[in-house]
Amino acid sequence: EPEVTQTPSHQVTQMGQEVILRCVPISNHLYFYWYRQILGQKVEFLVSFYNNEISEKSEIFDDQFSVERPDGSNFTLKIRSTKLEDSAMYFCASTPRVAATNEKLFFGSGTQLSVL
Amino acid sequence: GESVGLHLPTLSVQEGDNSIINCAYSNSASDYFIWYKQESGKGPQFIIDIRSNMDKRQGQRVTVLLNKTVKHLSLQIAATQPGDSAVYFCAENQRTGGFKTIFGAGTRLFVKA
Repeated sequence: EPEVTQTPSHQVTQMGQEVILRCVPISNHLYFYWYRQILGQKVEFLVSFYNNEISEKSEIFDDQFSVERPDGSNFTLKIRSTKLEDSAMYFCASTPRVAATNEKLFFGSGTQLSVL
Repeated sequence: GESVGLHLPTLSVQEGDNSIINCAYSNSASDYFIWYKQESGKGPQFIIDIRSNMDKRQGQRVTVLLNKTVKHLSLQIAATQPGDSAVYFCAENQRTGGFKTIFGAGTRLFVKA
């Protein structure tokens, strides 16, 4: 069964460093997302991406964050200068169609980001 | 209930019993709801969904009930098994300019053998 894959599974970085989290969405999917989950808390929406541009972003997704689809398969989340509070599990997700209301998300297994 | 920090609401049930997990939502305009299951170390996984023009939908061992009057959603798991132990999130899809899924606080289900 096709799945969303994320790398690395765990990333440790120093505060102030840049990190890039990588995702390969399911191949025929059109809509891509990043979510994050701070330990023990709910899953929070960061950004959605369609047709090579951001469709919507949350208040969390400030100027330190950016997303890119550099080729036909990868979808990346970059945090330019990490802060301690960026420590969280970051999930990539995708959906097959163009934002139909009854879409369900297909999630990857996440990247655990630890900022020291 | 609401989660605060690390204290997710928890539900502990005996194997074989039925589980009921509850969720409240606030947006009366929401028209599509989903339940996701998150096992330890994994991403959320779709379980079952329901549209606002329905009040009940059944899957395999799971049933979702929707009460629009009080804006309440519940997930019922029949004959709960150890493999059902996970965190369960209700979620709603919103179209506000773009499109996104908004998750509720989550409930941790423990199944005792």
